Amino acid sequence: GNSVTQMEGPVTLSEEAFLTINCTYTATGYPSLFWYVQYPGEGLQLLLKATKADDKGSNKGFEATYRKETTSFHLEKGSVQVSDSAVYFCALRPNFGNEKLTFGTGTRLTIIP
Amino acid sequence: DVKVTQSSRYLVKRTGEKVFLECVQDMDHENMFWYRQDPGLGLRLIYFSYDVKMKEKGDIPEGYSVSREKKERFSLILESASTNQTSMYLCASSLRVRGIEQYFGPGTRLTVT
Repeated sequence: GNSVTQMEGPVTLSEEAFLTINCTYTATGYPSLFWYVQYPGEGLQLLLKATKADDKGSNKGFEATYRKETTSFHLEKGSVQVSDSAVYFCALRPNFGNEKLTFGTGTRLTIIP
Repeated sequence: DVKVTQSSRYLVKRTGEKVFLECVQDMDHENMFWYRQDPGLGLRLIYFSYDVKMKEKGDIPEGYSVSREKKERFSLILESASTNQTSMYLCASSLRVRGIEQYFGPGTRLTVT
């Protein structure tokens, strides 16, 4: 079946540090890949997505590249801010069959000033 | 903007009570989903509906049922609430389009005492 493995948290960084949150997946074919963010007390919001190999998703300074050869979709940001403190979820959606998302367990990120 | 709303942000119920969680979306999405979110476990799919009156079990359907009488509304029912159903419940919706993301509501934090 499909699965998503995410970097274990929590992750604590200083403001302006470089961020990487690792995500690898197992799936048949070419799924679509997503990063969602959950700010304290809120639901999940889509951060970025990529629907085919070598696509790069980007939003709010975050980027992730769909790497088919390594089955990865790592999230990166060059300079984090305190407002980026949140829980980040990697997810995949198959491009055939059912349309359910498979999520990773989430990575809690805390940025300290 | 897509809007997914949930009937309550916080709910406290007693063991054995019947509990209804309501979700409404305003973008004419075909698919609707119910997840529960628990620390260290990420999001787990309870039930999924791809059309009015249609439903499909997710990964953890035991102890839950659902109802979708209108396209915009998807209800989660706990027939007899138990303490192990204390959790955050998230509703989501999406179009039936390849690669498209799901949109989430703000969540209902349910406590069963």
